[in-house]
Amino acid sequence: GPKVLQIPSHQIIDMGQMVTLNCDPVSNHLYFYWYKQILGQQMEFLVNFYNGKVMEKSKLFKDQFSVERPDGSYFTLKIQPTALEDSAVYFCASSPGQTSAETLYFGSGTRLTVL
Amino acid sequence: SQWGEENLQALSIQEGEDVTMNCSYKTYTTVVQWYRQKSGKGPALIILIRSNEREKRSGRLRATLDTSSQSSSLSITGTLATDTAVYFCATDSGYNKLTFGKGTVLLVSP
Repeated sequence: GPKVLQIPSHQIIDMGQMVTLNCDPVSNHLYFYWYKQILGQQMEFLVNFYNGKVMEKSKLFKDQFSVERPDGSYFTLKIQPTALEDSAVYFCASSPGQTSAETLYFGSGTRLTVL
Repeated sequence: SQWGEENLQALSIQEGEDVTMNCSYKTYTTVVQWYRQKSGKGPALIILIRSNEREKRSGRLRATLDTSSQSSSLSITGTLATDTAVYFCATDSGYNKLTFGKGTVLLVSP
């Protein structure tokens, strides 16, 4: 089936550094998402993105977070600067339409460790 | 989270048994989606049930939805070892934001 690719699968950085998580969504999808999952816990919505704009973001989407998808390339999540509590697995997802009618396709996640 | 909450539980069963997982939510949703997440992977949608449906079947899966009690269930018949995973329900208010429940850990032993 359709695949969402996330690069890298693991990232270890020092607190205060910048990190960019990359996502290659399904090619004809229009909606893009980032979710955060701390080990053993539920997936938490961070942000959704459509037509070049953030549509909605949660309280977890701090000012240090930003997303973009320049010219149809990777959909990225940037954290600058990182904090210890940013350690988690970050999942990218995409959907062809709105989630009330459509499936979300998730990548395998990027495990971010902030030291 | 107010939405998509389910009782966190871990179920350990033998292959061939049937299992049912429950999910309750607190706010309006147009759809309940059930996802399966295997170790080291992202969640994958396994069944979706809309607010105007009471039951949905797909192979060995059966989902139910009771909008009056704001609850949904997922049943798997004739489980296989490959069904071992974490199962999440997710609700959607229509604002294109899925809220996931805490998940049910299912371990199916051969």
